[in-house]
Amino acid sequence: EIVLTQSPATLSLSPGERASLSCRASQSVSSFLAWYQQKPGQAPSLLIYDASNRATGIPARFSGSGSGTDFTLTISSLEPEDSAVYYCQQRSNWPLTFGGGTKVEIK
Amino acid sequence: QVQLVQSGAEVKKPGASMKVSCKASGYTFTGYYIHWVRQAPGQGLEWMGWINPNTGNTNYAPKFQVWVTMTRDTSISTAYMELSRLRSDDTAVYYCARSLAGSNYEYVDYWGRGTLVTVSS
Repeated sequence: EIVLTQSPATLSLSPGERASLSCRASQSVSSFLAWYQQKPGQAPSLLIYDASNRATGIPARFSGSGSGTDFTLTISSLEPEDSAVYYCQQRSNWPLTFGGGTKVEIK
Repeated sequence: QVQLVQSGAEVKKPGASMKVSCKASGYTFTGYYIHWVRQAPGQGLEWMGWINPNTGNTNYAPKFQVWVTMTRDTSISTAYMELSRLRSDDTAVYYCARSLAGSNYEYVDYWGRGTLVTVSS
């Protein structure tokens, strides 16, 4: 099973700042990685798939990069509504797995 | 618009079984996989498996292989997830989610609102 390790556990930033979230895989997942956002009390929603493709309706301030074992989700200019937990997910190997999440707090 | 409507919260005793339903609307049910993901209270996301509503084929995560069953009824555009021999650590919110199209069927975009299942004696 591929283990995805996300860092940092919590990120506390002000509106307008840039957020960089990391996801590291225990073995290569090529570009088969997605990012999801989960707000309190809600189901997750897809942000990015195949490492860098934005899902339908996702604002351009969200971008993904990386391949192999190291991936980054960047939020270029934080908005108050970006306060959430962000998860990465790989589909390179079965079983599909999620990372443990990064909580983004807006000051 | 795409909607996945799940059945309501349940309380079960240890050793019992549960069955959660997920009714799809707003798209062709047989055109997209349905995945099941669970989330224990205050914890992260855990993939359980998927079903191809067109063929009925399933793929379960090894952890759940022996005690999960995913089925569907295409006549009413509904998917089901049944978990047997429940334990207290099966207490979680269970989500169904629709896959992306084509070769990206192991990513999901639309999610149900979740079904809270509490296992307690």
